[in-house]
Amino acid sequence: QVQLQQSGPELVKPGASVKMSCKASGYTFTDYVISWVKQRTGQGLEWIGEIYPGSGSTYYNEKFKGKATLTADKSSNTAYMQLSSLTSEDSAVYFCARRQLGLRGAMDYWGQGTSVTVSS
Amino acid sequence: DIQMTQSPASLSVSVGETVTITCRASENIYSNLAWYQQKQGKSPQLLVYAATNLADGVPSRFSGSGSGTQYSLKINSLQSEDFGSYYCQHFWGTPWTFGGGTKLEIK
Repeated sequence: QVQLQQSGPELVKPGASVKMSCKASGYTFTDYVISWVKQRTGQGLEWIGEIYPGSGSTYYNEKFKGKATLTADKSSNTAYMQLSSLTSEDSAVYFCARRQLGLRGAMDYWGQGTSVTVSS
Repeated sequence: DIQMTQSPASLSVSVGETVTITCRASENIYSNLAWYQQKQGKSPQLLVYAATNLADGVPSRFSGSGSGTQYSLKINSLQSEDFGSYYCQHFWGTPWTFGGGTKLEIK
């Protein structure tokens, strides 16, 4: 069965960086897109960007350019997102999701989320 | 960027009632729209894709409709497990923006 297993919660200091992972299983990793979504406590969903693991091509929401960097390791079926120069505005839960081009692009499987808390 | 305006922001309903949530896009998105359900503390789950198609395993009491800039999610005979938040999302040109969400609560 398709699964996206995300790394554990992070507590990081302002100004630091954090790198989280999303390990895919149950499907051919390079055949689908991995998107990343941000959700602040009690707020809505915000699309950060996505990566095509097969080619390594990335697409970012302009708002997150310079903040998020997406990579993927085909050998381990794992996608990564690094967030840099963290501030309290980056405290949120971050989800990875598989985007299914055959479903007109909808995100059909989601990871459980990685909580990031930025605090000194 | 395409803006997605979702309404209502919250809704208080009883089990057995029928509800409709709407999403309006700032431009034509040609039915490239998905709906998600999110329970408190959980990740979102896909309900509807391409505006009208139910995702695998989604009960038939859910239905999606619409075209152009106007879309709706209808839930017939609401069940207790249907309470939570609902989001629309378009897929017509990045960024793939979400609607602001609708919180469905028990009356």
